[in-house]
Amino acid sequence: SQKIEQNSEALNIQEGKTATLTCNYTNYSPAYLQWYRQDPGRGPVFLLLIRENEKEKRKERLKVTFDTTLKQSLFHITASQPADSATYLCALGNSNYQLIWGAGTKLIIKP
Amino acid sequence: EAQVTQNPRYLITVTGKKLTVTCSQNMNHEYMSWYRQDPGLGLRQIYYSMNVEVTDKGDVPEGYKVSRKEKRNFPLILESPSPNQTSLYFCASSLEQTGSNEKLFFGSGTQLSVL
Repeated sequence: SQKIEQNSEALNIQEGKTATLTCNYTNYSPAYLQWYRQDPGRGPVFLLLIRENEKEKRKERLKVTFDTTLKQSLFHITASQPADSATYLCALGNSNYQLIWGAGTKLIIKP
Repeated sequence: EAQVTQNPRYLITVTGKKLTVTCSQNMNHEYMSWYRQDPGLGLRQIYYSMNVEVTDKGDVPEGYKVSRKEKRNFPLILESPSPNQTSLYFCASSLEQTGSNEKLFFGSGTQLSVL
């Protein structure tokens, strides 16, 4: 069956360092992948989208990579700040309008 | 302000008592969807709609109903709620179908508890 894995353990990072979150998938051939941020008690907020033919996408301090051979996406936040603390969700979409979501990784940036 | 508005934010009810969670978007989006979020699980799609009067089942549609009579509104109806429907619910919309790589805009969520 299709499966998406994000690290279920919280990731603790010192302020100023780069945070790297992982999204792995199996039995799936996504056409694109999205990353969202979710704060407690709020709905997810879109951050970045990367397509299967793209290796890397950047937006300000954010960078996403997509390796269809390894079946993995990495999400990086450089120069991390306490305000970056949140849960980050990855979602994979295929050409049949299906979107499958990971359970998210909680990121904690310590001052 | 462009937004997706869900109501209520919190709802406690009893088994079998029909309820409706409302969802409205002001962005003229074609696509709307309902998700539930449970601890340790990814968002799971309940129903979606690609346009007015067009609705389709998602991954977990049992026990839910929806309607899309107007473009902006997409209510979620639980005819006879059961405790296993206790969850955090999100409404989302996008300009076009998600297959077009469109990002989703989410509401703030409705925390439902069925006793």
